[in-house]
Amino acid sequence: RKEVEQDPGPFNVPEGATVAFNCTYSNSASQSFFWYRQDCRKEPKLLMSVYSSGNEDGRFTAQLNRASQYISLLIRDSKLSDSATYLCVVSALGPDFNKFYFGSGTKLNVKP
Amino acid sequence: DAGVTQSPTHLIKTRGQQVTLRCSPKSGHDTVSWYQQALGQGPQFIFQYYEEEERQRGNFPDRFSGHQFPNYSSELNVNALLLGDSALYLCASSFLGFSNTGELFFGEGSRLTVL
Repeated sequence: RKEVEQDPGPFNVPEGATVAFNCTYSNSASQSFFWYRQDCRKEPKLLMSVYSSGNEDGRFTAQLNRASQYISLLIRDSKLSDSATYLCVVSALGPDFNKFYFGSGTKLNVKP
Repeated sequence: DAGVTQSPTHLIKTRGQQVTLRCSPKSGHDTVSWYQQALGQGPQFIFQYYEEEERQRGNFPDRFSGHQFPNYSSELNVNALLLGDSALYLCASSFLGFSNTGELFFGEGSRLTVL
């Protein structure tokens, strides 16, 4: 079983739509959770961390459900520039250092 | 402030050959991790270097090896290349003291094609 699983999409939505991505993780000892964004043929970049109480950054809202081992990302009022692949990332504490596990990514296409 | 730099950006090798990829971390960072990203997949963790030692390793065979130098730069070596090694190889740097922030800074990657 993969450490992190995501719906690969693609999600094709019109501008202005609200879209939600989900992610599940298998290691109940996971400690830190993140969403990264990766544009086509570019490197991943941190979009936002995910906190237990949920957190918001502008049009983006992240939620964490530890009991269900589930993470979500909600994007409101989608822009063309939001088109990218969104990677769910989970970190578990190794003996000395954090290890980061990436999902396969969910592709978002925002259409005019 | 220079970000993470990787070289070469693209390279083509044949099966059985060996390859060395290079990475210079972001200024002020001391930890380097390497990831393999196959087409349509998320990055897969290969290994992590800190203080010139391999600290963590993912599920990759011994054909994959690395090194970290005193200036924190790093190399990834892959021996006996297979077709399945074709991928984007990403280097990510971080500062150990802030590793819990989760912000890995990635280079643009080295795209390896094995023929």
